[in-house]
Amino acid sequence: LAKTTQPISMDSYEGQEVNITCSHNNIATNDYITWYQQFPSQGPRFIIQGYKTKVTNEVASLFIPADRKSSTLSLPRVSLSDTAVYYCLVGEGNFNKFYFGSGTKLNVKP
Amino acid sequence: DSGVTQTPKHLITATGQRVTLRCSPRSGDLSVYWYQQSLDQGLQFLIQYYNGEERAKGNILERFSAQQFPDLHSELNLSSLELGDSALYFCASSVEGDRQETQYFGPGTRLLVL
Repeated sequence: LAKTTQPISMDSYEGQEVNITCSHNNIATNDYITWYQQFPSQGPRFIIQGYKTKVTNEVASLFIPADRKSSTLSLPRVSLSDTAVYYCLVGEGNFNKFYFGSGTKLNVKP
Repeated sequence: DSGVTQTPKHLITATGQRVTLRCSPRSGDLSVYWYQQSLDQGLQFLIQYYNGEERAKGNILERFSAQQFPDLHSELNLSSLELGDSALYFCASSVEGDRQETQYFGPGTRLLVL
């Protein structure tokens, strides 16, 4: 089962780059890795998705090593508004289930 | 605004009661997902529907059931409610229901069981 493991929490300061790593040792060959952001009492919001190597969009980068057993979400120059919970999501084996895990609570300080 | 709507926003009820949560997916999306999020917990996948048919089932209790109607809206029914059922319930939708697709989440329904 492709369950994920992430740090429970991280602290950062405004303007710093933040890297959040997710382990998914049992990821299936055809699974993508997707990251979501969730603010308190709101539904999660898609940030970025990738399969291998590196993906970049206007808000984040996603680094995936060749073995795909982990992935790193990189948030450049965070601000206070980036304080949220970040989830990495992969498929669960051959079944169409969705395991979000507990996520990483990022706290950005001024 | 994700385009997914959920009603009601808040719901307070008593143990042993039954409630129905409603979700309308984004226009054009055929698949609906339900998640439960207890206080300070991660998202627990409950169930997925695609075009009216159940596609995947997660950690959904037997006291809970769901369905998706021909107009693609979905309802989650929670019965014999217990204190531990108090949580945020999110609905999400996607176009085809493939697990690689982006899911668009609604604002959630906050259920409080007293």
